[in-house]
Amino acid sequence: DAKTTQPNSMESNEEEPVHLPCNHSTISGTDYIHWYRQLPSQGPEYVIHGLTSNVNNRMASLAIAEDRKSSTLILHRATLRDAAVYYCILMSGGSNYKLTFGKGTLLTVNP
Amino acid sequence: NAGVTQTPKFRVLKTGQSMTLLCAQDMNHEYMYWYRQDPGMGLRLIHYSVGEGTTAKGEVPDGYNVSRLKKQNFLLGLESAAPSQTSVYFCASRTTIGLNQPQHFGDGTRLSIL
Repeated sequence: DAKTTQPNSMESNEEEPVHLPCNHSTISGTDYIHWYRQLPSQGPEYVIHGLTSNVNNRMASLAIAEDRKSSTLILHRATLRDAAVYYCILMSGGSNYKLTFGKGTLLTVNP
Repeated sequence: NAGVTQTPKFRVLKTGQSMTLLCAQDMNHEYMYWYRQDPGMGLRLIHYSVGEGTTAKGEVPDGYNVSRLKKQNFLLGLESAAPSQTSVYFCASRTTIGLNQPQHFGDGTRLSIL
């Protein structure tokens, strides 16, 4: 399985933008990039996914590098509710859609 | 709209006891998964199922058994609980088609084995 690398932790202030990076230098051409987050004492929840183009939804934006070897999850205005562990995961074909979780990035949001 | 429901939410067992964790989903999803999460770690896949009547091993299957007799339910069994199985267990489900579909997770079962 292709691996991802994320910083262990990041800190932000409330109402400021947050850019969470993810490196995936061994990504294959058909791998999708998925982001999940896990709020304290909850199960992971889906945030966003992309293949090649940048993506936006109500929760966040995903910026994907042209060579696809890295991506950035963007929270446009962080709130205290966004404090969570964020996981960047590659979804491969033929994997029965299994998710391989790393340790993710712990995002702290300061009031 | 319930989504994925896990039962029970908390449980304390003694070493050697057995128990079954239930996962139920109401989204008619084909795929179901069981994960465990230890403190400070990401989730690790225990077993999964690609449809009713099927099961397969994940990354850490030892000490666990699973069954998928009905499409909506995925059961995780511990035949003889060990302290090393103290963890938070998460169930997830997803639809069949496409790499662009997410997994939907339950809220977890917190299991302590003394």
